[in-house]
Amino acid sequence: DQQVKQNSPSLSVQEGRISILNCDYTNSMFDYFLWYKKYPAEGPTFLISISSIKDKNEDGRFTVFLNKSAKHLSLHIVPSQPGDSAVYFCAAAGGNDMRFGAGTRLTVKP
Amino acid sequence: NAGVTQTPKFRVLKTGQSMTLLCAQDMNHEYMYWYRQDPGMGLRLIHYSVGEGTTAKGEVPDGYNVSRLKKQNFLLGLESAAPSQTSVYFCASSRSRGGRVNYGYTFGSGTRLTVV
Repeated sequence: DQQVKQNSPSLSVQEGRISILNCDYTNSMFDYFLWYKKYPAEGPTFLISISSIKDKNEDGRFTVFLNKSAKHLSLHIVPSQPGDSAVYFCAAAGGNDMRFGAGTRLTVKP
Repeated sequence: NAGVTQTPKFRVLKTGQSMTLLCAQDMNHEYMYWYRQDPGMGLRLIHYSVGEGTTAKGEVPDGYNVSRLKKQNFLLGLESAAPSQTSVYFCASSRSRGGRVNYGYTFGSGTRLTVV
């Protein structure tokens, strides 16, 4: 029973364009949401987060949007750069732990 | 800065063998976690600890045991390895409960385990 779902296994965009990664969750008890970035042979690294009391959080080229009524969040990267190519995991925190989606592999083409 | 260190990085086990994966963190974090990553499944929580001497079950605890005798170390044990436990294992730590601060979890670089 996956409580956090990333339905797109992969996404390919052109350098300079916007990348939009999507994530859905089912558990209404989640109150904190995060995005992690993972390169091959490395552990995931924290990218950006948002509390359930907000609907938007920006950090440079990265913006996370939260739609609580739809139980949906998205990560926007603009402009996309080749160095952004990685696997992106959506995560949701509830209670003492965090649940992760299956990840979306983003490829940014020069 | 070491952060979270996992040993070993790679291991091949025969079915039925046992082993222990070690996770060490030098950030004085209270919370520690063990996840496994499988294709198409993302990261699934095996066990976690909310402080020294405590452990709790996550989503997929069967076949694993853990111990947190020292605050900086979190050990994951496989008593009798099975091919279904072939996976990449990640340890993580956090200062806050469930990672509810801007920096979330700090992850180790992973242990790739193959059970044949």
